[in-house]
Amino acid sequence: RKEVEQDPGPFNVPEGATVAFNCTYSNSASQSFFWYRQDCRKEPKLLMSVYSSGNEDGRFTAQLNRASQYISLLIRDSKLSDSATYLCAVNKRGSQGNLIFGKGTKLSVKP
Amino acid sequence: ETGVTQSPTHLIKTRGQQVTLRCSSQSGHNTVSWYQQALGQGPQFIFQYYREEENGRGNFPPRFSGLQFPNYSSELNVNALELDDSALYLCASSLVAGVEKTQYFGPGTRLLVL
Repeated sequence: RKEVEQDPGPFNVPEGATVAFNCTYSNSASQSFFWYRQDCRKEPKLLMSVYSSGNEDGRFTAQLNRASQYISLLIRDSKLSDSATYLCAVNKRGSQGNLIFGKGTKLSVKP
Repeated sequence: ETGVTQSPTHLIKTRGQQVTLRCSSQSGHNTVSWYQQALGQGPQFIFQYYREEENGRGNFPPRFSGLQFPNYSSELNVNALELDDSALYLCASSLVAGVEKTQYFGPGTRLLVL
């Protein structure tokens, strides 16, 4: 089983839709969690860190469920510009800070 | 923009050659991590440098090596290139080594090995 797993998609949604992605992780020692956005042939850009209490940034909401070992990303009112691949990343206590990434979930928002 | 820069942006090499990739970290950041991202995959951790010392290594062979300089910039060297080394190479900088420190990525170097 991979350490971090994501549904590769693609998720094809109309503008204005709400879409949710999940990411599961296998190592219970995972300590920090992140969502990155990656546009085609570009570098990953930090979208948001994920905190235990959940956090929101505008149209984006991230949740962490330690018991079930998954994190989620909810995007409300999808825009065409949200089309990208969304990568989840975790790192674990004592790992010297290296991030373990999922393969990413591709989102395509259509007019 | 993150302030992390990488050079070159693209590179074509042949099998067996050696390559050096460069990264300048964001101002004030003292840690650089290197990742390899093959097509359709997430980035994979190669190694991290903190205060000019290797501070953690992923599952990559010794022909992948690195350096960090006093100004915190870094190099990734790959010897005896193989076709499977073709990938996007990303460096990420952060303020200190450790789990909770957010990493910011540079634009990457796209390496093609023929």
